[in-house]
Amino acid sequence: GENVEQHPSTLSVQEGDSAVIKCTYSDSASNYFPWYKQELGKRPQLIIDIRSNVGEKKDQRIAVTLNKTAKHFSLHITETQPEDSAVYFCAASTFMNTGFQKLVFGTGTRLLVSP
Amino acid sequence: EAQVTQNPRYLITVTGKKLTVTCSQNMNHEYMSWYRQDPGLGLRQIYYSMNVEVTDKGDVPEGYKVSRKEKRNFPLILESPSPNQTSLYFCASSQRGGTEAFFGQGTRLTVV
Repeated sequence: GENVEQHPSTLSVQEGDSAVIKCTYSDSASNYFPWYKQELGKRPQLIIDIRSNVGEKKDQRIAVTLNKTAKHFSLHITETQPEDSAVYFCAASTFMNTGFQKLVFGTGTRLLVSP
Repeated sequence: EAQVTQNPRYLITVTGKKLTVTCSQNMNHEYMSWYRQDPGLGLRQIYYSMNVEVTDKGDVPEGYKVSRKEKRNFPLILESPSPNQTSLYFCASSQRGGTEAFFGQGTRLTVV
């Protein structure tokens, strides 16, 4: 089955710096790669996603890149702000025998942005 | 407002006492899932449902049951909870596979 690895597990940056979180996946049939942000005590919420027919997607200060050949994708946050502090999860969507398309999550990255 | 609602938010129970965590969504989504979140392990899928009366095991189904009698509801049942089921649980729904998953507020369960 699909396996998603995420690095680093923790990341500390200064306000204004960039942050990069990387994920690798194992199932070459995976075709949807969302990123979720989970603030302390809150539910995970989608911040950006990318499909396998696209190499890069940007939304203001966040961007995601996908390398299908290498089976890895990354989240880039520029000009970080303290409110970016949270746990970030990557995920890959893989097909099961039932036809269900299931999300497999990485183990999360705790991002701390210091003022 | 489109939402996924879980209840209760917090629950402390004793080993072996059956409990149910409810999940309801108002977006007419076909897919619903249950996850548990543990430190260092991320979100792991317990069970999922593709539609009414269609459910299947996820990655960590042992000790859990689910049912999907109505499209909007997907309760998680622990018939005989044990301390290793102490965790943060999330219900999620999505229109179909490969689309955004919407999460409930979470249920923090402690089994003593």
